[in-house]
Amino acid sequence: GIQVEQSPPDLILQEGANSTLRCNFSDSVNNLQWFHQNPWGQLINLFYIPSGTKQNGRLSATTVATERYSLLYISSSQTTDSGVYFCAVVSGGYNKLIFGAGTRLAVHP
Amino acid sequence: DTAVSQTPKYLVTQMGNDKSIKCEQNLGHDTMYWYKQDSKKFLKIMFSYNNKELIINETVPNRFSPKSPDKAHLNLHINSLELGDSAVYFCASSQESGLLAGTYTDTQYFGPGTRLTVL
Repeated sequence: GIQVEQSPPDLILQEGANSTLRCNFSDSVNNLQWFHQNPWGQLINLFYIPSGTKQNGRLSATTVATERYSLLYISSSQTTDSGVYFCAVVSGGYNKLIFGAGTRLAVHP
Repeated sequence: DTAVSQTPKYLVTQMGNDKSIKCEQNLGHDTMYWYKQDSKKFLKIMFSYNNKELIINETVPNRFSPKSPDKAHLNLHINSLELGDSAVYFCASSQESGLLAGTYTDTQYFGPGTRLTVL
């Protein structure tokens, strides 16, 4: 089955710093989502982005489907950005989201 | 106006007991899911239902039995609980299932999770 690898596994930032999280996948996808799991455990949809670029406030994401990777950019990070960021993909039919192992982000004041 | 809700939020129980987790979505979606997040935060799909019919069963032990009384509800019943069942269980929903189109291009929305602890 498709493999999803996220990097880096852990990231520590000072408030105000920028960061880039990466998601590599081993096969073509027709669905890619980024999620933020906050410290309370809630999974929050960030982007549905199987290809192209999207922006939402300080966050943006780019997926280059032909090269099998997606990037999540966080600018001017805040302590509330802390948590785990997951990339998840669907390859082929049906609707099984296959998750990466996540990037654990800690933003310090 | 919670989109996907789960009850209970926390569940602590003894080995061997039977327990249920309930999920409801008010998004009008046709497809619902159960995912399991283990202690290392790894998330994996367990089941998917489309219009009350099971369409994905990811080799989950048959102690786990999902039930969908209608397309807005998907419950998870677990028999004879084991220590290894301790995890966070997430319910999710989406409009599409990918069944008809053969590809799946829809967003899944997740509930708040149920933390199950088996002692």
